[in-house]
Amino acid sequence: ETGVTQTPRHLVMGMTNKKSLKCEQHLGHNAMYWYKQSAKKPLELMFVYSLEERVENNSVPSRFSPECPNSSHLFLHLHTLQPEDSALYLCASSQGGGPTDTQYFGPGTRLTVL
Amino acid sequence: EDQVTQSPEALRLQEGESSSLNCSYTVSGLRGLFWYRQDPGKGPEFLFTLYSAGEEKEKERLKATLTKKESFLHITAPKPEDSATYLCAVKGYSSASKIIFGSGTRLSIRP
Repeated sequence: ETGVTQTPRHLVMGMTNKKSLKCEQHLGHNAMYWYKQSAKKPLELMFVYSLEERVENNSVPSRFSPECPNSSHLFLHLHTLQPEDSALYLCASSQGGGPTDTQYFGPGTRLTVL
Repeated sequence: EDQVTQSPEALRLQEGESSSLNCSYTVSGLRGLFWYRQDPGKGPEFLFTLYSAGEEKEKERLKATLTKKESFLHITAPKPEDSATYLCAVKGYSSASKIIFGSGTRLSIRP
């Protein structure tokens, strides 16, 4: 595997379900991100982890719970979601604090909440 | 507040018809301006990072330029495979980690 991978690629869940999204980066980076991309809206940054510590949480509802067990893995735990949470969820990684600090994205998980 | 505005929202070109996409930005001290390409249902693919006014970068048929207020993505003699949404993003010194994205320009190249 190379780059940033995400599983599953597609997920359909009911409002009472609990599920998790997984992200893994193979780039040796030390920062990881979760973004939400809804139709016709810019990417919205949800969470940032740097060196496994959460450094940013952009007013995301508590039904989204991130976890970063190490610098290569990032999870987004989902529970009691709403239909408006249906979107493409993207994971990214970067070498935080470096001269370029460019973020590299995974393919995303298309989430549908019924 | 940092802001990014991209125009046009959508652009349809004939194959071989060159054009430019615009990204206007407001940021308190530019740390970097990024261009990404995104195909439908996929994650953004990194194209360029620009750091200072006057800088230019090229990749195949794409050339990105930067001024103090805007960036242009010039597409020369595009092909149908260049069809995608092109995203611009900026990162300022006011935030250590947050990148602000524009809404993107949806580019369609007709054969």
